[in-house]
Amino acid sequence: QKEVEQNSGPLSVPEGAIASLNCTYSDRVSQSFFWYRQYSGKSPELIMSIYSNGDKEDGRFTAQLNKASQYVSLLIRDSQPSDSATYLCAVNMGGNNRLAFGKGNQVVVIP
Amino acid sequence: DGGITQSPKYLFRKEGQNVTLSCEQNLNHDAMYWYRQDPGQGLRLIYYSQIVNDFQKGDIAEGYSVSREKKESFPLTVTSAQKNPTAFYLCASSIDGGMGTEAFFGQGTRLTVV
Repeated sequence: QKEVEQNSGPLSVPEGAIASLNCTYSDRVSQSFFWYRQYSGKSPELIMSIYSNGDKEDGRFTAQLNKASQYVSLLIRDSQPSDSATYLCAVNMGGNNRLAFGKGNQVVVIP
Repeated sequence: DGGITQSPKYLFRKEGQNVTLSCEQNLNHDAMYWYRQDPGQGLRLIYYSQIVNDFQKGDIAEGYSVSREKKESFPLTVTSAQKNPTAFYLCASSIDGGMGTEAFFGQGTRLTVV
């Protein structure tokens, strides 16, 4: 099992809709979870961090964490064309405090 | 202006040559990391350092070397032993290497073997 998995293929959403991204992780002792946005040809930019079970909202972004199910998600409400990017899930692996990344999910917002 | 600076932005290497990628940060962060990204792939950890004069191998350290002589600097050398070095290299730093700390990235160096 991969440490961090993002299995969904490219996601196309109409402008104004909700984009939903999912991520699962393998290390049960992980305590820190992050979502990064990466535009084509650019470096990743941190957009959300979450440490406790439940929801965390920041503007149009909501991160959801369920440690029992080893699952973290990101919702983008009122999607805008500027949200078109690849979203990377990252998990701090508790055993040696290193950050592991999923392969990312590409989001395309259609005007 | 605080941040993480990687140089150069683009780098071309002939086969058999070693090249060194620069990463400097003025955020006073203790921990620094090097990742490699291939097209359509996530980030893979090459090396990381949680403190000056100490570093650990990541998942794909073969063919790479690093040093951490100063807190603000963490250069990566891609040696001739790295068989497929063409990739996008990303340097990151965090306040410390603890479990709750957020990592921030430089703008990356795109290395191409010619």
